[in-house]
Amino acid sequence: EAQVTQNPRYLITVTGKKLTVTCSQNMNHEYMSWYRQDPGLGLRQIYYSMNVEVTDKGDVPEGYKVSRKEKRNFPLILESPSPNQTSLYFCASRRGTVKTTDTQYFGPGTRLTVL
Amino acid sequence: KQEVTQIPAALSVPEGENLVLNCSFTDSAIYNLQWFRQDPGKGLTSLLLIQSSQREQTSGRLNASLDKSSGRSTLYIAASQPGDSATYLCAVVTGAGSYQLTFGKGTKLSVIP
Repeated sequence: EAQVTQNPRYLITVTGKKLTVTCSQNMNHEYMSWYRQDPGLGLRQIYYSMNVEVTDKGDVPEGYKVSRKEKRNFPLILESPSPNQTSLYFCASRRGTVKTTDTQYFGPGTRLTVL
Repeated sequence: KQEVTQIPAALSVPEGENLVLNCSFTDSAIYNLQWFRQDPGKGLTSLLLIQSSQREQTSGRLNASLDKSSGRSTLYIAASQPGDSATYLCAVVTGAGSYQLTFGKGTKLSVIP
């Protein structure tokens, strides 16, 4: 089954404790991205990757890191989480970076709480 | 900077009614527009994608239209069912190179049996 998976689905942590949220897709997609969703603010892009070893900032990259060492994986790293990073996080992927007919596929979300 | 607005923010209708959800965007230079559905505690599911050169797309009871020049799109749901209850999100792709999705804040739909 074609899908985007995220782990963990739920995470409660404390300020300053480094964490990684994993994202993996099995569709051989080139483009992957991370979004956060907050009440009243909607979905905002954090980082995106056009292909392996190519990453770039979205609208709200502060406090986050990403890497794209393999095509299928795109982990989101919070080196020193803070309470304002409490949010619902979504990973997404898309087949290519050129065709306007490509839709984005989203993972199930990771609900992060930073105390 | 692209901004996407969805009206209304919430909508409650009795089962069987036809309904229209609205989406507007400020920059008409889009590549495509997508409608997504989001169920509580779950991810987003793509419903329809309209390319910038198209006027509408249909899938079952759903019909999405696009008026690029006026910066508007509508999602028409025919014969609504309780299972249609969800939040509907509109998103546009702009920006050559990044093909970034810019989302509206969504319309929360409740279909009452």
